[in-house]
Amino acid sequence: GQQVMQIPQYQHVQEGEDFTTYCNSSTTLSNIQWYKQRPGGHPVFLIQLVKSGEVKKQKRLTFQFGEAKKNSSLHITATQTTDVGTYFCAGRDSGGGADGLTFGKGTHLIIQP
Amino acid sequence: EAGVAQSPRYKIIEKRQSVAFWCNPISGHATLYWYQQILGQGPKLLIQFQNNGVVDDSQLPKDRFSAERLKGVDSTLKIQPAKLEDSAVYLCASSPGGRQGVFFGPGTRLTVL
Repeated sequence: GQQVMQIPQYQHVQEGEDFTTYCNSSTTLSNIQWYKQRPGGHPVFLIQLVKSGEVKKQKRLTFQFGEAKKNSSLHITATQTTDVGTYFCAGRDSGGGADGLTFGKGTHLIIQP
Repeated sequence: EAGVAQSPRYKIIEKRQSVAFWCNPISGHATLYWYQQILGQGPKLLIQFQNNGVVDDSQLPKDRFSAERLKGVDSTLKIQPAKLEDSAVYLCASSPGGRQGVFFGPGTRLTVL
């Protein structure tokens, strides 16, 4: 079945430094979504990317979808303490059928003030 | 707009007991999902409903787990009998349908002793 892998598993940064998490799928995706989960909270939808090579920005967050639609990245510029949490990518297989998401294991972002 | 509602928020049971979780999705959302999130991992899809029909239950352990969505609105997820490895957060989520963002509820944290 489809597998979605994320690296790194943990990332420690100093406040103000940049952060990037990478996501790779074993299969071609129809779209990829990103979620943020604060400690003790539930995943919150951030964005969806659909097109090959697509780049979207949300303030300090930049999301990219690879040309082959098998990988994606999330980059945060100048991290703030409010960015703490786990960032998950979740992909939908392009093979059709059910559209349930396959989540990666997430990247835990830890920020040191 | 009200979000996805779930109850209970916490449940502690002994192994071999039964437990049921309830979910009320966002009004008008045709698609409802149940995810299992084990500590430190990403959510894993258990079952997906489209209105009151099952779209995908390929990862649902059907010997012990069951779910229903009567009238295409509320849903219940049942575990009977529970095992130690069922300890997790059970997340209900809904989406408007199609390949759009998924909105999660607060989850039910299940501890099986």
